[in-house]
Amino acid sequence: RKEVEQDPGPFNVPEGATVAFNCTYSNSASQSFFWYRQDCRKEPKLLMSVYSSGNEDGRFTAQLNRASQYISLLIRDSKLSDSATYLCVVLFSGTYKYIFGTGTRLKVLA
Amino acid sequence: GAGVSQTPSNKVTEKGKYVELRCDPISGHTALYWYRQSLGQGPEFLIYFQGTGAADDSGLPNDRFFAVRPEGSVSTLKIQRTERGDSAMYLCASSLDHSPNEQFFGPGTRLTVL
Repeated sequence: RKEVEQDPGPFNVPEGATVAFNCTYSNSASQSFFWYRQDCRKEPKLLMSVYSSGNEDGRFTAQLNRASQYISLLIRDSKLSDSATYLCVVLFSGTYKYIFGTGTRLKVLA
Repeated sequence: GAGVSQTPSNKVTEKGKYVELRCDPISGHTALYWYRQSLGQGPEFLIYFQGTGAADDSGLPNDRFFAVRPEGSVSTLKIQRTERGDSAMYLCASSLDHSPNEQFFGPGTRLTVL
């Protein structure tokens, strides 16, 4: 089993739709969690950190469920510009290794 | 300010050759990471530097791979006796320090081994 798993997609959704991605992780001693966004042929960029209490940034909401060992990303009112690959990232306690998932590809259609 | 830069942007080499990939982190960032990314995959951790020292090199696939950061700023990833399987995008990232922080990625070096 991979340490961090994501559904690779693609998720094809119409503009204005709400879409959610999940990411599961294997190590219960995980410390920190992030969502990164990667556009085609570009480098990853931080979208948001994921806090235990959940957090929101505009149309984006991130949640952490430690009991079930998953994090989620919810995108409301999808825009064409949201089309990208969304990478789940986990930092396990006691390490400096950031473990990336394979990414979930989102395509927002006009 | 200037972001993370990597050179070259593309490198084509022949099997068995030696290559060096360079990373210039953001000024003042003490933490530096190297990753390798293949098509359809997420970045795979290779090595982490805190200052000049490699704090975690557990991701280096074998002893053909080596990285240095002699002055705590610029880092070089060195690959000896390259193999076709080494072909990938090599990404460098820096962050302010070792605490869980945003990583800023460079544009990467696309390595192709023929």
